Amino acid sequence: EADIYQTPRYLVIGTGKKITLECSQTMGHDKMYWYQQDPGMELHLIHYSYGVNSTEKGDLSSESTVSRIRTEHFPLTLESARPSHTSQYLCASSDGTHYQPQHFGDGTRLSIL
Amino acid sequence: GENVEQHPSTLSVQEGDSAVIKCTYSDSASNYFPWYKQELGKRPQLIIDIRSNVGEKKDQRIAVTLNKTAKHFSLHITETQPEDSAVYFCAATPGGYQKVTFGTGTKLQVIP
Repeated sequence: EADIYQTPRYLVIGTGKKITLECSQTMGHDKMYWYQQDPGMELHLIHYSYGVNSTEKGDLSSESTVSRIRTEHFPLTLESARPSHTSQYLCASSDGTHYQPQHFGDGTRLSIL
Repeated sequence: GENVEQHPSTLSVQEGDSAVIKCTYSDSASNYFPWYKQELGKRPQLIIDIRSNVGEKKDQRIAVTLNKTAKHFSLHITETQPEDSAVYFCAATPGGYQKVTFGTGTKLQVIP
């Protein structure tokens, strides 16, 4: 089934660890996005990509990095996790044409101890 | 850049009543306005959207209206049901390779 998949769903890890959150979509979408969201709160855009080898920083300052080597894959990496990174991270994708909504993944709930 | 303001931040209604959520945007180039519903612990999902060349769109109990002159758009939910309880986000974008800007969300509680 065409969808957008995020792994892991939950992650509890210690301070200073390197973390990669995975996001893959099988819809052939050009655009992909990462949002940070505390439960039920505002969506903060942290990174986006409009195609392979294209990445941009979003509105929220973040110590994370992203890569887009394949159309379907858009991983988010935290080089050294801190307690302030504790949050939910949502990945989304959309078609490159006009008037197309974003499709969201189920999210990764990250807790840094 | 685009700025989207959303009101109210919380809304409680009795089951069967109507609910209205309002958003304003700043960029006159914005031409696509989706609305998302996020249930507790779930992903945001599109419930309705409207393009700038349309003033109103309806889908069963849900409708969206757009006033381009005033730069505001609203979500209307009629005959609310407990399963309508969720956080609702409005969004605006000029489309193409421009970013989507989300509102800050409205937590709707429908009281049985």
